[in-house]
Amino acid sequence: GAGVSQTPSNKVTEKGKYVELRCDPISGHTALYWYRQSLGQGPEFLIYFQGTGAADDSGLPNDRFFAVRPEGSVSTLKIQRTERGDSAVYLCASSLRLLAGGPSEQFFGPGTRLTVL
Amino acid sequence: SQKIEQNSEALNIQEGKTATLTCNYTNYSPAYLQWYRQDPGRGPVFLLLIRENEKEKRKERLKVTFDTTLKQSLFHITASQPADSATYLCALEATGFQKLVFGTGTRLLVSP
Repeated sequence: GAGVSQTPSNKVTEKGKYVELRCDPISGHTALYWYRQSLGQGPEFLIYFQGTGAADDSGLPNDRFFAVRPEGSVSTLKIQRTERGDSAVYLCASSLRLLAGGPSEQFFGPGTRLTVL
Repeated sequence: SQKIEQNSEALNIQEGKTATLTCNYTNYSPAYLQWYRQDPGRGPVFLLLIRENEKEKRKERLKVTFDTTLKQSLFHITASQPADSATYLCALEATGFQKLVFGTGTRLLVSP
């Protein structure tokens, strides 16, 4: 069975450029999450989708960050005018949230390592 | 401010011993607490979930306790093996908030 996949695995870009990071969740998982992880830190929440809509985007650091999930499956995290401080591993996770308010066991992808030079 | 603390120093133990990792939190009222394992270059892998009204949960060699009065969770691995060497992350989730708030993780090293 396929797990969560993320592409690319590595992305090197120059300051000021635009990047897109893709996440393919586990088939049938309605919930999708993006996190960012810096070296030596735990993952930091960015945004959560339930279906096609962003249910919680409170973790997005500023308006340079945007994410979409147009058909309720694949999601793309978009970063405009990248800065060196955006360098991190971007993790995607999905879950099958059966009950509203119930816990979410999350299945993570391997991440995309973004380096902004 | 909300804070989740895990021992940032690596925990070194001998194979066969019990490893105990600690997760403390402040200014937070989680409905659920989860433990994940993370190997270098990989995403976290779910291990166990415990609810606020549960004191203890077990799964094979793993045991988690949750004390909402002390605001602390303990994670135990019994009969540890070198293959258990990894970083272990605790994560809190409040009812209705969906997102996980992670600690910084504790690196466990099990020597043969």
